[in-house]
Amino acid sequence: ETGVTQTPRHLVMGMTNKKSLKCEQHLGHNAMYWYKQSAKKPLELMFVYNFKEQTENNSVPSRFSPECPNSSHLFLHLHTLQPEDSALYLCASSQAGGGSYQETQYFGPGTRLLVL
Amino acid sequence: GENVEQHPSTLSVQEGDSAVIKCTYSDSASNYFPWYKQELGKRPQLIIDIRSNVGEKKDQRIAVTLNKTAKHFSLHITETQPEDSAVYFCAASLAGGSYIPTFGRGTSLIVHP
Repeated sequence: ETGVTQTPRHLVMGMTNKKSLKCEQHLGHNAMYWYKQSAKKPLELMFVYNFKEQTENNSVPSRFSPECPNSSHLFLHLHTLQPEDSALYLCASSQAGGGSYQETQYFGPGTRLLVL
Repeated sequence: GENVEQHPSTLSVQEGDSAVIKCTYSDSASNYFPWYKQELGKRPQLIIDIRSNVGEKKDQRIAVTLNKTAKHFSLHITETQPEDSAVYFCAASLAGGSYIPTFGRGTSLIVHP
């Protein structure tokens, strides 16, 4: 499964560190998403980019900063995180709109983040 | 906005039994309802979806039903097998436009051999 890739797969960082998560999709989609998945919680939508424009910021703290330089790449920049930010961060892509009805979300394998 | 409720949170069945997971949604405009399966340590993957213009869809041992009037949809798995053990997520959205899905909280299905 190489349609959506994420790096790194695992990350341990201190609260004062700065790190970035990377997502790349090879499916020609026009929309990309960041989700947070914590234990016993639903998938929490964080950010949505449609045609490289951010269309949704789901009240995410400013210590998470997304960047979408083009339709194939999505980054999540992390700084001064808290231990409660430890979770699995999933990237997804889809072909949104246009009447083509290809709204299926294709997920990456995720980055397992631990904040110490 | 849309609100999706999913039940049960945990479902334990014996191999060969059927399993049913139910979701309700709040926005009557929602017209696309996918189901995702997430095995332990793996990414969520689409297993089946249904659009508001049909009431039922089947794919081998899995089926999804939709009741637009009551605003609920269900996933049915027949003849369950241990490899069906996973977390299942339902979602609802408005397709064809700004697609931002709302996910249910997930159901952990355990199939005992």
